[in-house]
Amino acid sequence: KAGVTQTPRYLIKTRGQQVTLSCSPISGHRSVSWYQQTPGQGLQFLFEYFSETQRNKGNFPGRFSGRQFSNSRSEMNVSTLELGDSALYLCASSPGQGRTDTQYFGPGTRLTVL
Amino acid sequence: DQQVKQNSPSLSVQEGRISILNCDYTNSMFDYFLWYKKYPAEGPTFLISISSIKDKNEDGRFTVFLNKSAKHLSLHIVPSQPGDSAVYFCAASAYSDSWGKFQFGAGTQVVVTP
Repeated sequence: KAGVTQTPRYLIKTRGQQVTLSCSPISGHRSVSWYQQTPGQGLQFLFEYFSETQRNKGNFPGRFSGRQFSNSRSEMNVSTLELGDSALYLCASSPGQGRTDTQYFGPGTRLTVL
Repeated sequence: DQQVKQNSPSLSVQEGRISILNCDYTNSMFDYFLWYKKYPAEGPTFLISISSIKDKNEDGRFTVFLNKSAKHLSLHIVPSQPGDSAVYFCAASAYSDSWGKFQFGAGTQVVVTP
């Protein structure tokens, strides 16, 4: 099976712009979770989607949003970018049937905000 | 509010010896714990998990120990191999959080020397 893919792998944006990141889950997986990784902070949970519905969300401002399509692909959008949004954004997919389903991560999108 | 803490940012160990990685948590609602390994430019890869009904789980060279009263878990790697050089994250999930949300520690960089 192909793994989780994320595009693009690298992005450079300026403050105030918006950005959209994409995640394609493993075939058959219906759950996609998004995380932000910054140095010293580990991975911070953003939100989780299952069957096009957001089931769970973390403590991030409303500038961070996401959606999921009928083929389980997911996008994450960040509007009005701030310098502090520079991070590695990881998505993870799982079957989504159980809370303890193993999450399989993509390689991430490295976002740099100048 | 960092509910999962890995207080050692780095660990150096000789090949063939034991690596012990530690993780502390503060949320007594956590009932499922995992360890992930991450190589540069790749997403985290699942290593091993443990449910709060157990105090030990083994998988080959990897053993996770859980001490619920101390809110502490550890990962033992025996024997350590050069390919084990990576960043290790512990993560936890609470029943109340559910769906795709794991709280991660900041990670421990392990370097295995010949």
